[in-house]
Amino acid sequence: GAVVSQHPSWVICKSGTSVKIECRSLDFQATTMFWYRQFPKQSLMLMATSNEGSKATYEQGVEKDKFLINHASLTLSTLTVTSAHPEDSSFYICSARPVYGYTFGSGTRLTVV
Amino acid sequence: QKEVEQNSGPLSVPEGAIASLNCTYSDRVSQSFFWYRQYSGKSPELIMSIYSNGDKEDGRFTAQLNKASQYVSLLIRDSQPSDSATYLCAVNGGSSASKIIFGSGTRLSIRP
Repeated sequence: GAVVSQHPSWVICKSGTSVKIECRSLDFQATTMFWYRQFPKQSLMLMATSNEGSKATYEQGVEKDKFLINHASLTLSTLTVTSAHPEDSSFYICSARPVYGYTFGSGTRLTVV
Repeated sequence: QKEVEQNSGPLSVPEGAIASLNCTYSDRVSQSFFWYRQYSGKSPELIMSIYSNGDKEDGRFTAQLNKASQYVSLLIRDSQPSDSATYLCAVNGGSSASKIIFGSGTRLSIRP
């Protein structure tokens, strides 16, 4: 089946630094990928839609200058959390749609200290 | 009104019984409906997708869709302790065609 690989699975960083999260579609091409954030005991909240070769589309309330998205190829999208703060600590998950349904990466647990 | 609504639970069901999970959605033109299972600390995994009215069965799982009532449900027969998880209802293809909207999830607990 279609696989979306996400890396790293967890990261701890200092406040003020930047963290890059990678999302790869392993056996299919993904012109569109989605980035979600999930706080404890809450549902997935869509942050942005990543489009190959063009600018990402951000959801209302999501700072595009803070959450930089790059979708440079049909199999790779990256999310960079810039100048991270403790309130950015969350579970970040990417997703793509191979044919039917949406396949999720394994998620990245970000802790900002 | 939330776009996709679910009872947060927890829903407690004895092992071997049928677990019934419900979801309503607000966008009448929605076309695709999904149920995901999410274990604590893990990302969601797709259990069922359904696109037309009626029932769709896959093993112990049955998804039911009623577009007129804007209602979708998931039945889990012969519930097992390993079914204990949060179940997310997701809807796609409405006014925001490319996006999938998730409900807040229902926490299911199967008691031995």
